[in-house]
Amino acid sequence: QVQLVQSGAEAKKPGSSVKVSCKASGGTLNNFFLSWVRQAPGQGLEWMGGIIPMFRITNYAQKFKGRVTIYTDGSTSTGYMELSSLRSEDTAVYYCARDDGSGNYYDPHYEAFDMWGQGTRVTVSS
Amino acid sequence: DIQMTQSPSSLSASVGDRVSFTCRASQSISSYLHWYQQKPGRAPKLLIFAASNLQSGVPSRFSGSGFGTDFTLTISSLQPEDFAIYYCQQSYSVPLTFGGGTKVEI
Repeated sequence: QVQLVQSGAEAKKPGSSVKVSCKASGGTLNNFFLSWVRQAPGQGLEWMGGIIPMFRITNYAQKFKGRVTIYTDGSTSTGYMELSSLRSEDTAVYYCARDDGSGNYYDPHYEAFDMWGQGTRVTVSS
Repeated sequence: DIQMTQSPSSLSASVGDRVSFTCRASQSISSYLHWYQQKPGRAPKLLIFAASNLQSGVPSRFSGSGFGTDFTLTISSLQPEDFAIYYCQQSYSVPLTFGGGTKVEI
């Protein structure tokens, strides 16, 4: 049974960076699309970006461009999300989420997130 | 970016009630609309994909409908475990976007 297992909670200072991992336990990420979604306390869900490992394509929400890097390590079936220049507004639970995706290299298409990691709480405070 | 608007933002209902809530996209998204349920402290769970397809393992009291810009999630007979927040999400184009959620309360 494949599961997405994320790294543990992080406490960071403003201006620093955080790296969150997401391991596909019992399976592989290679044939899937992987997204990162965050949820600030008491708020809704926000898509940060995603990666399509088979096509080596990444997509980022404009809000996070320049601050976020999403990548995977196929050899360990692990995805990563790095967020830099942290500020208090980045305090949130960060989720990885997998979808089957569709399309091809020229027209890839995200689909529904059928599997989620357990979430990683990132707290940014001085 | 495609804006997703859910209504109502919250509703009160009783066990056994039939409830429906809606999700509207700011432009046509075909059937690239998915519904999730989230309980406190838990990751979201996929209920319906591609507007009307029930995810494996999800009870048949959940159903989805719609196409284009207007979508509906219906719970035919509300159960105690259904009290949660429900989010819609479009995957028609990036950036993927979520609605603000509908909280179903007792």
